[in-house]
Amino acid sequence: DVKVTQSSRYLVKRTGEKVFLECVQDMDHENMFWYRQDPGLGLRLIYFSYDVKMKEKGDIPEGYSVSREKKERFSLILESASTNQTSMYLCASSLWPGGDQPQHFGDGTRLSIL
Amino acid sequence: AQSVTQLGSHVSVSEGALVLLRCNYSSSVPPYLFWYVQYPNQGLQLLLKYTSAATLVKGINGFEAEFKKSETSFHLTKPSAHMSDAAEYFCAVRSTGRRALTFGSGTRLQVQP
Repeated sequence: DVKVTQSSRYLVKRTGEKVFLECVQDMDHENMFWYRQDPGLGLRLIYFSYDVKMKEKGDIPEGYSVSREKKERFSLILESASTNQTSMYLCASSLWPGGDQPQHFGDGTRLSIL
Repeated sequence: AQSVTQLGSHVSVSEGALVLLRCNYSSSVPPYLFWYVQYPNQGLQLLLKYTSAATLVKGINGFEAEFKKSETSFHLTKPSAHMSDAAEYFCAVRSTGRRALTFGSGTRLQVQP
């Protein structure tokens, strides 16, 4: 079974801090994704990566950056955290090519910015 | 741009009743379609996927979904609801050549005893 592990389940940070969310997958997947989940809005794509050091912006990249130095690890960075970034963050990975390949999700990080 | 619409943010059924969760997509060509379930404080788990092999797709936990091209729909059903089915359900679509999924806004299913 694919295992996607997010480093923290709950995180509390202060406004203006630089925040790192880490994600590791163990199935050698090419694609990795960061989503943000808010009530009534579903999941919105922040960034994704299709290879080491390769990334593309998703639908809501403002205020975020990402890093993929190794194939199994994908980090989301909040450069200067703000209260409107309080949310649930979900990491996912998938094989490529293959449009029928599902995305496999971690358990999420619930981030609170005070 | 592709989009997914889930009608009804909350659905409540009695235990043993039929579950019907609606999903409509917009795409110029038949896409790949997925249903995921999310239990409280957990990530998303794949229920089933449509990949054009068959229009009726069976998934885990007794769920199934039917792809109807003419209606651009992919509704999720289960003949008899169980208390353990209470969760949030997400429909998602991926168009050919696109790596990421586009998700609907989700439907929270309540099961009453």
